[in-house]
Amino acid sequence: AQKITQTQPGMFVQEKEAVTLDCTYDTSDQSYGLFWYKQPSSGEMIFLIYQGSYDEQNATEGRYSLNFQKARKSANLVISASQLGDSAMYFCAMREVDTGNQFYFGTGTSLTVIP
Amino acid sequence: DTGVSQDPRHKITKRGQNVTFRCDPISEHNRLYWYRQTLGQGPEFLTYFQNEAQLEKSRLLSDRFSAERPKGSFSTLEIQRTEQGDSAMYLCASSSHAAFPNTEAFFGQGTRLTVV
Repeated sequence: AQKITQTQPGMFVQEKEAVTLDCTYDTSDQSYGLFWYKQPSSGEMIFLIYQGSYDEQNATEGRYSLNFQKARKSANLVISASQLGDSAMYFCAMREVDTGNQFYFGTGTSLTVIP
Repeated sequence: DTGVSQDPRHKITKRGQNVTFRCDPISEHNRLYWYRQTLGQGPEFLTYFQNEAQLEKSRLLSDRFSAERPKGSFSTLEIQRTEQGDSAMYLCASSSHAAFPNTEAFFGQGTRLTVV
């Protein structure tokens, strides 16, 4: 089974609008971390936001917020006030305490911001 | 230190040749990861070092692949007898030892390998 599932291969959003990128995860661990990364066309993976499994509040970092629904095992990324520079691939990732140190990544969502 | 650096950024090689990539992590980071990313996919884990010790290896890492991290600083990834299926972006990442699992990994810009 896939550890991370991103069901939206591509998304479009109008500049200055908000957009939600979906992510569901699969784990039996109690302690884990969820991450979102942005990958522009240059190739570098840029860390955006983190949510811990024991965090009761949704994480926020500037225009990024993470809608964490533990019972549904979802960790959706919300980008508010989209900018042209937000056009990129976005990857959801998970790290588990019990099963090692690696990050598991989804297949990504390509976001295009339309002027 | 401005981040994780990888060298070279691009490599074109003929099938059957050996290639070696280098990664310089953020200096205070003791954890180092290698990932492979093919077109349209997310990064796939290859191997992980804590200091100089290689602690995890993916089943994706065939016998033709070897990674080292002498002295716990930079790391090299070597692919022997390259095949066309090895064409991919090879990403290196590092993270600190602090409070697992909430320590993000910082990635380099990757080495894009093309095997012709």
